[in-house]
Amino acid sequence: NAGVTQTPKFQVLKTGQSMTLQCAQDMNHNSMYWYRQDPGMGLRLIYYSASEGTTDKGEVPNGYNVSRLNKREFSLRLESAAPSQTSVYFCASSEARWWRGVVLSGNTIYFGEGSWLTVV
Amino acid sequence: ELKVEQNPLFLSMQEGKNYTIYCNYSTTSDRLYWYRQDPGKSLESLFVLLSNGAVKQEGRLMASLDTKARLSTLHITAAVHDLSATYFCAVDSTQGGSEKLVFGKGTKLTVNP
Repeated sequence: NAGVTQTPKFQVLKTGQSMTLQCAQDMNHNSMYWYRQDPGMGLRLIYYSASEGTTDKGEVPNGYNVSRLNKREFSLRLESAAPSQTSVYFCASSEARWWRGVVLSGNTIYFGEGSWLTVV
Repeated sequence: ELKVEQNPLFLSMQEGKNYTIYCNYSTTSDRLYWYRQDPGKSLESLFVLLSNGAVKQEGRLMASLDTKARLSTLHITAAVHDLSATYFCAVDSTQGGSEKLVFGKGTKLTVNP
């Protein structure tokens, strides 16, 4: 029962390097998310994808790009890493049931194990 | 813009004591979530509160929601060391049919023997 799987778990980058964080979920969820967690800041949403083929900016999208490859996979790319992007990154997914733009019921968002990224 | 505030941010308590963590949010929402995070680990869902007056209990933890006051509480009864963790509340911000959770900054709970 894998749930949400993200890779790599740990990565050290030099400033200016690029990398992609991979995320896959096996729960057939429509919605997927990328968050970053910094000390004393809680979790902040970077990008989300309401369904396959759609992506939208969250609270802190600058410096990131995403790709919803298919229903299972949602990747996060850092094109030119900066020290300010040192953080723990969490991928998440949920099954949002909605009708005419209104979410009908709340549902749990499931998180991956996290990816620790250090940019030096 | 939805804002979520938790207090206290740090809580040190003795085993056997009771305490409450508060979560206030700024705009109307009918869904509130509580998560637990252990150091170096991911977030584990504790409670999903879906309506005004909702109360849920699991072991020594009880969560409640007052949507009119825009307030949720997480009450800890007779704390034990295993409850030491960081607790987050999160409120949904529904846009375009997709749920986006806005998190509080977390309450780091330490339960001392």
